[in-house]
Amino acid sequence: GAVVSQHPSRVICKSGTSVKIECRSLDFQATTMFWYRQFPKQSLMLMATSNEGSKATYEQGVEKDKFLINHASLTLSTLTVTSAHPEDSSFYICSASRTGGTGELFFGEGSRLTVL
Amino acid sequence: AQTVTQSQPEMSVQEAETVTLSCTYDTSESDYYLFWYKQPPSRQMILVIRQEAYKQQNATENRFSVNFQKAAKSFSLKISDSQLGDAAMYFCAYRSGLGGTSYGKLTFGQGTILTVHP
Repeated sequence: GAVVSQHPSRVICKSGTSVKIECRSLDFQATTMFWYRQFPKQSLMLMATSNEGSKATYEQGVEKDKFLINHASLTLSTLTVTSAHPEDSSFYICSASRTGGTGELFFGEGSRLTVL
Repeated sequence: AQTVTQSQPEMSVQEAETVTLSCTYDTSESDYYLFWYKQPPSRQMILVIRQEAYKQQNATENRFSVNFQKAAKSFSLKISDSQLGDAAMYFCAYRSGLGGTSYGKLTFGQGTILTVHP
């Protein structure tokens, strides 16, 4: 099956620092990756759509300068939370759609960010 | 824009019994896909079942089946012979059948927390 790996699974950082989360498709190429944010016991909120080789498309209300997304290759997308603050603490999940596939999404394990 | 609504924040069921989780959606598209995902405490999203809108037959996967009512825009999940391992948060999700740069984008419902009692 298709595997998507996220790293790190947990990260704690100080307020004002930047944190990078990686999302890799291990056994398939992913033209498109999606980044979601999830608060406890709530739904997944789509933050942005990441397409390889082009700028990410952000959902309304998501600060593109705060959440930098880079999709430099067909197997890697990164989310950088810049100048993190405690309100950025959340669970971030990436998903990937296989290039040329049916559009089925494969999810990473998620990354829990805690900003002190 | 498409919306997905799950009106049951929490549900509970006795082990071995049957439970149905509700989901309604709103769309003007004719080509789309519907999904149920399970999110256990590990937070890993697991695909439970998938339904193509063009298919009249309801999808089934072992103990999981759906009741897809296209005209009513309803997509409920039935879990038969519930097991302790079924305890999780369940999300209903919609995906457009259209292509483009957002191909694969999912819209999720609010989620239903399912508790299974031994």
